[in-house]
Formats: sequence, structure tokens, C-alpha cells
Amino acid sequence: GAGVSQSPRYKVAKRGQDVALRCDPISGHVSLFWYQQALGQGPEFLTYFQNEAQLDKSGLPSDRFFAERPEGSVSTLKIQRTQQEDSAVYLCASSPGTTGEQYFGPGTRLTVT
Amino acid sequence: SQQGEEDPQALSIQEGENATMNCSYKTSINNLQWYRQNSGRGLVHLILIRSNEREKHSGRLRVTLDTSKKSSSLLITASRAADTASYFCATDAAAAGNKLTFGGGTRVLVKP
Repeated sequence: GAGVSQSPRYKVAKRGQDVALRCDPISGHVSLFWYQQALGQGPEFLTYFQNEAQLDKSGLPSDRFFAERPEGSVSTLKIQRTQQEDSAVYLCASSPGTTGEQYFGPGTRLTVT
Repeated sequence: SQQGEEDPQALSIQEGENATMNCSYKTSINNLQWYRQNSGRGLVHLILIRSNEREKHSGRLRVTLDTSKKSSSLLITASRAADTASYFCATDAAAAGNKLTFGGGTRVLVKP
């Protein structure tokens, strides 16, 4: 079956622009996670949804970052007024339950110039 | 911030040799997972070991967990060129909900 998909795969934004990154999780998966991965580093947690409820947003680095999952399926991560330090790969993962293995998408590589 | 450290940061071996990498973490966990990431791609789940387990096998992979030392190891036996990738441990901490906290990764190069 289809895995987790993310779009766009690559995004170049000028500093100050807003961007929206989309995640399509595996159908029926309850949990959805967003992670940020800087070059040469491990992923770092941003936020977590259980169905449509955002249960943990402790990893969002600033109020410029906003995520939603209004119908408990597709999720969007929005970054307002992008800064150079936002350049990273943004990974989405989903999980059928609330713990255990997570299935990752290919990521969106964001470059802010 | 990262949960723990992985050791070594990089590893270069010949095809057919075994590769061992270690992971340490800081807080109590529900389980520990290992993921592989090929260059420019997403993470692929390899194996999950629960906090009450000490060893687990999956094909050429062997994972150990020592909760008293807060450490885990991943052994890849009879390595292949296709095993070239970055390997990350990730913990599902008891007090941190469902999020995964990753180490910095070990970059493994298997030379043919």
C-alpha cells in the first residue's frame, strides 16, 4: 500500500516568505508527527497529533511555526516569515496507534535564501 | 535537544564484516527503536525493543538493551554495500508522551 507522502519534496523560499508543507499519512493511522532534521543531525520532534487533536507542540521552535490536521488525516506544517535557520528537512511520520513504530515520509527539504 | 549519543559517529568497514554501533540515552523509556536513513531519503524502521527486553534479532540485525546503563547496541552481521546509510536510535520516553527522541546517528560506509 501507499506509504507516507510529503509535498513538495523541495522548497526554496526567500527570507520572510511563508511556506506550507503537506503530509499525507498512511490511511487510518491515528498518530501523526512532524520532525525537523538539520544537516548531519538526527531528527528533532516538532509536534504530534492524535486524530485531529494536537496533543503536543512542545518542539515548535517559535510562534512562526503552526501545524494543523483538521480532519484527522492530511496535515500541514506552516512556517511564517521564514528565516535562514529554518532551512532543514521536515519529516512527517504516522503510526497506527499511539506508540511504537513510526512510518516516515521522504521529507521536504526547505532552503531559505 | 537530542536524547543521547551514538557511538561511533562514523564507521567504515569492508563488505562481509560486522558493524556495531552504540546508543546511550538519559531518561526512562518505554521502548527503543533503530532506524536507517539512506542519503536524501526518509527513515526506515529496523527494529523495536521494549524496555523489558534485553535482546532482539531480525535477520542480520541484533539489538541489545541495557536499561541499567541506559544503552543499546545495534549489530549488523555480514554487512553489504547496500547497508551503507546513517543509523539512528530513537527512544519513546515514558515521561515524554509518544514522540521519538533521536540520537545524532552513526554514518556507516560499507566498502565493496
